[in-house]
Amino acid sequence: AQKVTQAQTEISVVEKEDVTLDCVYETRDTTYYLFWYKQPPSGELVFLIRRNSFDEQNEISGRYSWNFQKSTSSFNFTITASQVVDSAVYFCALSEAAQGAQKLVFGQGTRLTINP
Amino acid sequence: DTAVSQTPKYLVTQMGNDKSIKCEQNLGHDTMYWYKQDSKKFLKIMFSYNNKELIINETVPNRFSPKSPDKAHLNLHINSLELGDSAVYFCASSQDGSLNTQYFGPGTRLTVL
Repeated sequence: AQKVTQAQTEISVVEKEDVTLDCVYETRDTTYYLFWYKQPPSGELVFLIRRNSFDEQNEISGRYSWNFQKSTSSFNFTITASQVVDSAVYFCALSEAAQGAQKLVFGQGTRLTINP
Repeated sequence: DTAVSQTPKYLVTQMGNDKSIKCEQNLGHDTMYWYKQDSKKFLKIMFSYNNKELIINETVPNRFSPKSPDKAHLNLHINSLELGDSAVYFCASSQDGSLNTQYFGPGTRLTVL
């Protein structure tokens, strides 16, 4: 069965610090997708990024960057110059083919607190 | 112009009652899902429908019955509510059942007293 592990339950940093959220996954599939979602205190789940298993290029979007390494089965997320608005629970997820469809297998989430 | 909407946002009810949560998406997607987030924030899929057809049915009690009147709607009916059903329920949709991005609704916080 597929599995996603986010070993960091909670992280707390001071504003403007850089912070990296770790994600390690397990899968037997050769084709899969990895995702990051953000859940702010308001509760909704906000899609951040999707990464194809065949594309190991790092991605940068503003202050956010993602490092995908198949060799270590990791898909880590870095926030540069963190801001208070980045405070949220962040979920890493892996798509799993199931019964002719796909489902997301989520990690346990990392609660990130950015202190002013 | 909300993409995936759910009603109600909050639902408080007594044990043993029957309740429904509604979900609608205006993205033109073919596939919709229900996920449950427990008190520890763990998210797990419950059901998936593709073009009104049930595709994924995880090990969910029979008291939970999804219904899809059309591909833009996926409702969740829960019979004989129990304390353990208290959670946040998220609806999501994706273009189809392949490896596409799932977009989530705002969630419905269900509290069973």
